[in-house]
Amino acid sequence: QVHLVESGGGVVQPGRSLRLSCAASGFTFTNYGMHWVRQAPGKGLEWVAIIWYDGSSKYYGDSVKGRFTLSRDNSKNTVYLQMSSLRAEDTAVYYCARTSDTAAPADYWGQGTLVTVSS
Amino acid sequence: SYVLTQPPSVSVAPRQTARITCGGNNIGSESVHWYQQKPGQAPVLVVYDDIHRPSGIPERFSGSNSGNTATLTISRVEAGDEADYYCQVCDTTTGHFYVFGTGTKVTVL
Repeated sequence: QVHLVESGGGVVQPGRSLRLSCAASGFTFTNYGMHWVRQAPGKGLEWVAIIWYDGSSKYYGDSVKGRFTLSRDNSKNTVYLQMSSLRAEDTAVYYCARTSDTAAPADYWGQGTLVTVSS
Repeated sequence: SYVLTQPPSVSVAPRQTARITCGGNNIGSESVHWYQQKPGQAPVLVVYDDIHRPSGIPERFSGSNSGNTATLTISRVEAGDEADYYCQVCDTTTGHFYVFGTGTKVTVL
């Protein structure tokens, strides 16, 4: 069955960096784009970024553009979210989710990893 | 960017019908997806492309979309349906690939 497992979350000081990973299994990873979606404590869902199935295109939400970078290693079935210049407002649970196409829904989600930005 | 507006909360008695709306400018021309999120859990897709249910989702969940409003309908509501529900569209024209609605908390009385 489809499995997405995020890791790398934790407590980090403002201005520092952190890298999240999302390990996929149970499906053909190279057939899917991968999203990151975050949810601040007690708030709604916010789209963060998407990377194409082959890594050829990446798009970012306005709030993270220029600070976050997506990559993927298809040999390891893993996608990475490199977060830099972190701010308090980046505090959230970060979910990875797969999608079959740009307009398609996110049909499977990981359980999320919590990032807390605090001094 | 595209804005999707949902009522903050909907209350419904067991075995009754809950309707959750998602308002957006000409949303009827978009494909709308709906997610259910229970406390402490990841979102789960319950309706996609306006009206379709993924495998494993009960027939009690249905969707519609026309004009400026999309609707998720939950028939014969059960206690286990209590959750937050989010609508979502894709807005590639602005580069904001996923736009989520504000979310609706469904409470089963």
